[in-house]
Amino acid sequence: DAGITQSPRHKVTETGTPVTLRCHQTENHRYMYWYRQDPGHGLRLIHYSYGVKDTDKGEVSDGYSVSRSKTEDFLLTLESATSSQTSVYFCAISENSNEQFFGPGTRLTVL
Amino acid sequence: QQQVKQSPQSLIVQKGGISIINCAYENTAFDYFPWYQQFPGKGPALLIAIRPDVSEKKEGRFTISFNKSAKQFSLHIMDSQPGDSATYFCAVPPERVGNNRKLIWGLGTSLAVNP
Repeated sequence: DAGITQSPRHKVTETGTPVTLRCHQTENHRYMYWYRQDPGHGLRLIHYSYGVKDTDKGEVSDGYSVSRSKTEDFLLTLESATSSQTSVYFCAISENSNEQFFGPGTRLTVL
Repeated sequence: QQQVKQSPQSLIVQKGGISIINCAYENTAFDYFPWYQQFPGKGPALLIAIRPDVSEKKEGRFTISFNKSAKQFSLHIMDSQPGDSATYFCAVPPERVGNNRKLIWGLGTSLAVNP
């Protein structure tokens, strides 16, 4: 998976709890992305980063925040998890912003 | 917001047949048209991509056809195999303004190739 890891790979949590997902890359790529994937909705961009401490919102950013303090790490936080945030979350990286390399995904269940 | 319309949503093909998936876009400021392939339980991976200065690109059994005037591009899988069963996504990059380096994705096509 092009030097991308995501942790945890699976998580079950309860409504109202904060959750942080981690994406770690060893490729030194500039761009990093968080997507969620749900049946019938394809891939939807949550947030992305174009450098350390430089982030921007995607199309479904409400209820999510991100941080990138180092080139290799991009954290996604669900401030107060809701059942509608049950999904599979993918991190992706890119150097030239054309080809994106995806991580293995995190399956999150919010009860 | 730029839209990308992908069709069909699902496709069943017999082994050895041709699979065709289409994408239509709205804007013109694109320089790269990729197709991604995703197997169950995995993240998407780049399958093949084309630049708008050519009308067709072939890599093995996979071909992208690009029609700039119609604002459409399609993926053709020749001699489809059961191992091609996956979800396929098209994507387009929007106009590169500032730090905007996002891809706009189609909703995906689930392909099943029957043996």
